[in-house]
Amino acid sequence: NAGVTQTPKFQVLKTGQSMTLQCAQDMNHEYMSWYRQDPGMGLRLIHYSVGAGITDQGEVPNGYNVSRSTTEDFPLRLLSAAPSQTSVYFCASRQYRTEQYFGPGTRLTVT
Amino acid sequence: KQEVTQIPAALSVPEGENLVLNCSFTDSAIYNLQWFRQDPGKGLTSLLLIQSSQREQTSGRLNASLDKSSGRSTLYIAASQPGDSATYLCAVSYGQNFVFGPGTRLSVLP
Repeated sequence: NAGVTQTPKFQVLKTGQSMTLQCAQDMNHEYMSWYRQDPGMGLRLIHYSVGAGITDQGEVPNGYNVSRSTTEDFPLRLLSAAPSQTSVYFCASRQYRTEQYFGPGTRLTVT
Repeated sequence: KQEVTQIPAALSVPEGENLVLNCSFTDSAIYNLQWFRQDPGKGLTSLLLIQSSQREQTSGRLNASLDKSSGRSTLYIAASQPGDSATYLCAVSYGQNFVFGPGTRLSVLP
């Protein structure tokens, strides 16, 4: 099993550009989540999904969109990047009430 | 508001010492609590998961306890090694919402 994979590992964007961060898991987990990690702020939940076709907002959803068309994939879209979205982004998956597994992260810089 | 704190923020110990990391949470209506380690520039690695009905979990040299009524969890590391150096995070589950603590940065000196 590859576990949770994320692409790309690093990305630099200019303000106003759009991009999609990819996340995939091969453990048949129903629950998937996106977090961002910032110095002094810890990890914060952006969006999550409890199954294909079902998504909901977390603590900091503004500026981000998600969709879940398959169990395996959960992409995160930045529609118009802003410098405040410079962060490290982590994707995670789990089953109901079980441990979360995290991907290796995407380091995003917006200039 | 649901908040999670971790004490100490940083800890430096000589190799071989036993040590305790602390995690406190304000809302005791938790589903479970998970401990992670994070190496610099890397993702989070799961160490232990304690369900709300459990009091402790053990894995090798690690033992995690949970006291819901007092809003506390501790991670005990026995016979620490330089390879244990990392940041340790606790995450409290409230259903779909997970609240993370800020972490404890551990350095184990040879």
